[in-house]
Amino acid sequence: QVQLVESGGGVVQPGRSLRLSCAASGFTFSSHTMHWVRQAPGKGLEWVALISYDGSNKFYADSVKGRFTISRDTSKNTLYLLMNSLRSEDTAVYHCARVFHSSSSAPFDYWGQGTLVTVSS
Amino acid sequence: QSVLTQSPSVSGAPGQRVTISCAGSSSNIGAGYDVHWYRQLPGTAPKLLIYDNDNRPSGVPDRFSGSKSGTSASLAITGLQAEDEADYYCQSYDTSLSCSVFGGGTKLTVL
Repeated sequence: QVQLVESGGGVVQPGRSLRLSCAASGFTFSSHTMHWVRQAPGKGLEWVALISYDGSNKFYADSVKGRFTISRDTSKNTLYLLMNSLRSEDTAVYHCARVFHSSSSAPFDYWGQGTLVTVSS
Repeated sequence: QSVLTQSPSVSGAPGQRVTISCAGSSSNIGAGYDVHWYRQLPGTAPKLLIYDNDNRPSGVPDRFSGSKSGTSASLAITGLQAEDEADYYCQSYDTSLSCSVFGGGTKLTVL
């Protein structure tokens, strides 16, 4: 069965960096575009970034552009999110999610449980 | 402020029918992009409930249905059950922002 397991969250000071990981299993990782979606405490869902199935295309939300970098390692079936220059408003649970197909409006058919990132001094 | 607009809350008694609306604009739903719906129980990951406006993934009961018209979409739940109490989110794509967008979520309370 499809499984997505995030790790790497924690408490970090403003301006510092953190790298999140998402271990994928139960499907052909190299065939699917992958996304990061975050949810601030008590708030709704916010799309963060996507990477195409082969890693050739990457897109970011304006709120993280220039600070976050999405990447993937097909040999390890793992998705990453490197977060630099963290701000208090980046505090959220970060979910990785798989899309059903490669269309820009594709639904997220599987989600990880998420990893909490808290940016605080 | 979410790009897609949902009512913050809705409620209904067991067995009743409720609808959750999702209002968009000409750059997302109105541009023809599909709408998807997710259910999120407290402390858990969102789960795909309806995809491509009106399709149910395997395992989702037919009590759940979706529709889309113009710049808005709706999720209907019939035969309301206690376990339906959750947060519901709509999602689409916005061509002006060039990204996936979500509604702010609707909290369903089963009375």
